[in-house]
Amino acid sequence: EADIYQTPRYLVIGTGKKITLECSQTMGHDKMYWYQQDPGMELHLIHYSYGVNSTEKGDLSSESTVSRIRTEHFPLTLESARPSHTSQYLCASSTSGRFNEQFFGPGTRLTVL
Amino acid sequence: GDSVTQMEGPVTLSEEAFLTINCTYTATGYPSLFWYVQYPGEGLQLLLKATKADDKGSNKGFEATYRKETTSFHLEKGSVQVSDSAVYFCALSGGGADGLTFGKGTHLIIQP
Repeated sequence: EADIYQTPRYLVIGTGKKITLECSQTMGHDKMYWYQQDPGMELHLIHYSYGVNSTEKGDLSSESTVSRIRTEHFPLTLESARPSHTSQYLCASSTSGRFNEQFFGPGTRLTVL
Repeated sequence: GDSVTQMEGPVTLSEEAFLTINCTYTATGYPSLFWYVQYPGEGLQLLLKATKADDKGSNKGFEATYRKETTSFHLEKGSVQVSDSAVYFCALSGGGADGLTFGKGTHLIIQP
């Protein structure tokens, strides 16, 4: 079944740790996105990708980095986690059409102590 | 640039009440419009969409009509249930490279 997956679903770590949030999709979509969702529920685009070897920064400045080596995989990395990184992170994908909807993963809830 | 404005919540209703969540947008050209729903602890799910003026999107008893003259896409449901409690996001796709523009979300609470 075509879907989009995120792991882990929940992560609690200490300050200074390096972490990678995984996102994979089996829908064959070219475009992928990472959003940060604040406690007030507002979504902020932090990274997106048009396809393999393409990465762009979104509207919200983020200390995280992303890579796109394979079409189906779009991991997000924090080199040194801080309490300010505590948030919900949502991954999404879409086809390359100009007006197409995005499909979302279940999210990763990150807590940095 | 493109923007979406939706009514702030929380919106609290009793079961079987009529629901309206207002959404207006600003965009150049002819965007596609979407409503997404987020249940607690989950990602966003597409609820309905409309791709051109006067289109009506519908799903699970929810409806929204693309009104170009008022630049609106209000979400309605005739009789809400407790299971409809969630956060609802209005969004548009103007064809830009970075995809969708989202509203800030409306938290809906349905009491039995």
